[in-house]
Amino acid sequence: SQQGEEDPQALSIQEGENATMNCSYKTSINNLQWYRQNSGRGLVHLILIRSNEREKHSGRLRVTLDTSKKSSSLLITASRAADTASYFCATDGFDQGAQKLVFGQGTRLTINP
Amino acid sequence: NAGVMQNPRHLVRRRGQEARLRCSPMKGHSHVYWYRQLPEEGLKFMVYLQKENIIDESGMPKERFSAEFPKEGPSILRIQQVVRGDSAAYFCASSPRGVQNTEAFFGQGTRLTVV
Repeated sequence: SQQGEEDPQALSIQEGENATMNCSYKTSINNLQWYRQNSGRGLVHLILIRSNEREKHSGRLRVTLDTSKKSSSLLITASRAADTASYFCATDGFDQGAQKLVFGQGTRLTINP
Repeated sequence: NAGVMQNPRHLVRRRGQEARLRCSPMKGHSHVYWYRQLPEEGLKFMVYLQKENIIDESGMPKERFSAEFPKEGPSILRIQQVVRGDSAAYFCASSPRGVQNTEAFFGQGTRLTVV
């Protein structure tokens, strides 16, 4: 079964606004990770949140995790044009042996100047 | 410490030819993962390897695809007798230990085009 489905699929906001992306997953996890992908490039790790954590911050990023609802959110505050990218959540599939990261389809974020 | 290196960045093959994609993990990383990405889609897991061992190949097509991670040298993803449907971006990632404990580091990918 697919893990890590992001919502919305696409998001367009004005520079300076906050952007919120959501992720739902299906099985138990050890951790959930968020990655960013600029067009035509590889993925860059943003933040890792463990299953026993509820919230984590890194600069302008805030990630929450609700294991009872099997969901996570990524908040980017005070968005900048350089934040334009696709954002993916990934889970480690604990029920499946925790061997690999399983990615969702991603949210394409566009920041308009 | 160089990041994950993939080569070539772009590869064009005619139908029926073989494609060999290389991935050198970060120094000290013994876990390698291969993913495939179609345009506007997420990454699909293909295979997970540790040195000289295939740990999980549940995402690999049963035919034409193979992967290795030898004791010396890069990891290789080989696609034999390529077809147009193999056209995609192939990403390699590495980690120092399993991803249940740490992040994965990705290369820039190899974009395979089958003509």
